[in-house]
Amino acid sequence: VQLVQSGAEVKKPGSSVKVACKVSGGVFNSYGISWVRQAPGQGLEWMGGIIPVFGTPNYAQKFRGRVTITADESTATAYMEMSSLTSEDTAVYFCARGGQLLQILHFDFWGQGTLVIVSS
Amino acid sequence: DIQMTQSPSSLSASVGDRVTITCQASQDIRKFLSWYQQKPGKAPNLLIYDASNLKTGVPSRFSGSGSGTEFTLTISSLQPEDIGTYYCQQYDKVPSPRERTFGGGTKVEMK
Repeated sequence: VQLVQSGAEVKKPGSSVKVACKVSGGVFNSYGISWVRQAPGQGLEWMGGIIPVFGTPNYAQKFRGRVTITADESTATAYMEMSSLTSEDTAVYFCARGGQLLQILHFDFWGQGTLVIVSS
Repeated sequence: DIQMTQSPSSLSASVGDRVTITCQASQDIRKFLSWYQQKPGKAPNLLIYDASNLKTGVPSRFSGSGSGTEFTLTISSLQPEDIGTYYCQQYDKVPSPRERTFGGGTKVEMK
């Protein structure tokens, strides 16, 4: 299983960003994909996840209303879109997948990370 | 939501030392805890799941124990390649859906 993410982004405050995570190997729609972010010098923060076959994402309370996680089964790609960006959203964003059917538990596979810089 | 507290936040040890990192959950998570190692500029790497199960390919000097609210990651004999930051993560299954949360991390350095 490999997860390959889209490239780095530089965004203005107040704008939105959409990060892609293409999954190869395994069955895409039956395994949960989560998004985890890491601000510079800080720890890991789970943002939310989706099991594509179910379609309904689950979000950390902190990110509800500002983050949208989707999955495109036709291209085996998951997306994370964040709106109303501020400098505090400057971070590396990882996608991650577990090895457990139809659940989001621990994360066996990770993307390489996408750096998002929010700066005026 | 469940909060995860790791200690210490950092430690310095010598090659061959036994290293212990603890993780405390704010409520009972049964056995549903994993441990990750992260090296600078890299994605985290899963070491242990379900509190004590070693992921295939992870060296046997790593071990995990605990249940309920108290968990431990032990490196029996620290090696130079073990330097990095270690995180715990909870994934209790009920009620569903539930948020997943990480501990704050423990940075392991070589003395």
